[in-house]
Amino acid sequence: NAGVMQNPRHLVRRRGQEARLRCSPMKGHSHVYWYRQLPEEGLKFMVYLQKENIIDESGMPKERFSAEFPKEGPSILRIQQVVRGDSAAYFCASSPFRDRNNEQFFGPGTRLTVL
Amino acid sequence: KQEVTQIPAALSVPEGENLVLNCSFTDSAIYNLQWFRQDPGKGLTSLLLIQSSQREQTSGRLNASLDKSSGRSTLYIAASQPGDSATYLCAAVTGANNLFFGTGTRLTVIP
Repeated sequence: NAGVMQNPRHLVRRRGQEARLRCSPMKGHSHVYWYRQLPEEGLKFMVYLQKENIIDESGMPKERFSAEFPKEGPSILRIQQVVRGDSAAYFCASSPFRDRNNEQFFGPGTRLTVL
Repeated sequence: KQEVTQIPAALSVPEGENLVLNCSFTDSAIYNLQWFRQDPGKGLTSLLLIQSSQREQTSGRLNASLDKSSGRSTLYIAASQPGDSATYLCAAVTGANNLFFGTGTRLTVIP
């Protein structure tokens, strides 16, 4: 049973370009969470999705950021018109149920560098 | 809003020493608390999860305790080894079902 997979592991973009980060949850998990870790800071929650639904996006920046988790395929975190301040590690986690006692399992992260 | 604090921010100990990492949270209405390990440039490895109804969890040389009323959790590492060197993160789950992370304790175990 493969763990949570994220790709790419490293992504370099120039200012103004778009970044697409992908997350495939563990088999059998239908809940996905995205977190961002800025340099020298702790991880911060961004968004929580279930298949085809955004459950909680209270941590998402209001502009340029969007997330989806389609019925088929991975969850996508999309950042439009990237700026240097978007450089960070983006982690995805998954869990099997919408149960607050469920453990979240993390992927290896995507390290985004904006030049 | 939940605030999670970890003290100390960094810790260096000689190999073989027992140590305690501290985590405090402001909102005691948590569902569970997780401890993670993060190696430089890597993802998070889950170490222990304590449900809100539990007082402690143990895995090998690791023991985590939870005191909801005082808003504290500790991670005890026995007989530390150089391979334990990493950043240790605690995270609390509250009503929104997402994790609130502390900023971590960077542990260095000196051979």
